[in-house]
Amino acid sequence: NAGVTQTPKFQVLKTGQSMTLQCAQDMNHEYMSWYRQDPGMGLRLIHYSVGAGITDQGEVPNGYNVSRSTTEDFPLRLLSAAPSQTSVYFCASSSRTRGTGELFFGEGSRLTVL
Amino acid sequence: AQSVAQPEDQVNVAEGNPLTVKCTYSVSGNPYLFWYVQYPNRGLQFLLKYITGDNLVKGSYGFEAEFNKSQTSFHLKKPSALVSDSALYFCAVRKISSGSARQLTFGSGTQLTVLP
Repeated sequence: NAGVTQTPKFQVLKTGQSMTLQCAQDMNHEYMSWYRQDPGMGLRLIHYSVGAGITDQGEVPNGYNVSRSTTEDFPLRLLSAAPSQTSVYFCASSSRTRGTGELFFGEGSRLTVL
Repeated sequence: AQSVAQPEDQVNVAEGNPLTVKCTYSVSGNPYLFWYVQYPNRGLQFLLKYITGDNLVKGSYGFEAEFNKSQTSFHLKKPSALVSDSALYFCAVRKISSGSARQLTFGSGTQLTVLP
C-alpha cells in the first residue's frame, strides 16, 4: 500500500525554469492538496482539489498551477521558478466521505531555486 | 478565518519526564483538531484528533491531547518522554462545517527535543 507518492524527492532549478512536481495516491481519496513548508511558518496551502476536474486556490497560489484529470494524480506546476519558491513541498490527500479530515502526506519534494 | 498558534518554537525535556506541547486555535464554530509529527526528512504523520465527545483524546505512541473549549486549547501531552519522541510537532484545525474542502490550517510547529 503506497499511500501518497511524490516525485522527485530533490530538485534544483535555475530562476525562470519550469517544472512539475508529481503526486499520486492509491487510496481513492477525493480530496488532494499541496502545501509548502518553510522554517518557522508551518505548512501553507497552495492549491487543493475536491475531485477530478475541480481545483481551487489556497493561501499561497501565486506562481503555481495545478490540474486534476484523474482521482489518483494531482501535479503541481511551477511556471517560472523564483528563489522565493525554494521550499519543501508536500502533497496530501483525504477522503471526503470517510473519516473526519485526517490528511495523509507524501514524503515531500525539496526544491531549490538558484 | 481559522488560525492555530503554537507559542513555543522549541521544547526540551528530559527522558522519562512528562512533556507538553502547547496549541491554541481560533475558528468560528466547532473545530476538528489534529496533531501531526514530522521526523527529519519525512512527511507528516497523523498522531491524534479531536472530533467530539471526551475532551481527552488518546493517540499513537502513547500521546494524548486535552481539548479545552473555554481556553480554545488543544495541548499535546505524554506522561513519560522518550528520546525517540524528538521531532517536529504540528497542531492543525478545521472547521466542522467546512464540508468537502477539508482545508486544514497548521501551526508553525514546535521542535521537541528529549534529552537522554
